[in-house]
Amino acid sequence: AQSVAQPEDQVNVAEGNPLTVKCTYSVSGNPYLFWYVQYPNRGLQFLLKYITGDNLVKGSYGFEAEFNKSQTSFHLKKPSALVSDSALYFCAVRDMMGAAGNKLTFGGGTRVLVKP
Amino acid sequence: KAGVTQTPRYLIKTRGQQVTLSCSPISGHRSVSWYQQTPGQGLQFLFEYFSETQRNKGNFPGRFSGRQFSNSRSEMNVSTLELGDSALYLCASSFRTSGSDEQFFGPGTRLTVL
Repeated sequence: AQSVAQPEDQVNVAEGNPLTVKCTYSVSGNPYLFWYVQYPNRGLQFLLKYITGDNLVKGSYGFEAEFNKSQTSFHLKKPSALVSDSALYFCAVRDMMGAAGNKLTFGGGTRVLVKP
Repeated sequence: KAGVTQTPRYLIKTRGQQVTLSCSPISGHRSVSWYQQTPGQGLQFLFEYFSETQRNKGNFPGRFSGRQFSNSRSEMNVSTLELGDSALYLCASSFRTSGSDEQFFGPGTRLTVL
């Protein structure tokens, strides 16, 4: 069975400071890992994904994430947060073997609040 | 390129009624997945359709069903609505199933059951 944990319900950061949103995962095989962001009254917007290769993945809007296989983590980072980054962030995993098709298992979400 | 569209955006129903939600995927995408989002349970996978066949199903009762048409448009149906079915229902599309493709989500249908 797949699972994802986002240990922080909320992260508060001052504008211009680095932002980190934590994610750990559990999957039987090799994972596909994704980060999505959700703004109020909107669907989920894709930020980035890890498939294979370089452990540092760069995505949209200046976000990046670091895959760490030994720690089964995939933390989302942004060097300098903006007020407009305030939103709900979801980490998701899918088994690379594909037995479950496109089924994504999501973490519980982390609300990010960037203060001016 | 148009994104994933979902209709209607908002619905209010009463207990015992049934409801049908519609999803039009991005042009060329053949996989459509449905998710339920609630404050208590978070985002949960309902089912995936690929080329008109149900590919996978989540842990939901049989009151939740879906289908996919030859043009890849998908509908989900919930019968005998319960208060707990109030949620944001999200549809997502991708080109393949079981590949490394990211899924693109629609804006969702907000269902309120009274």
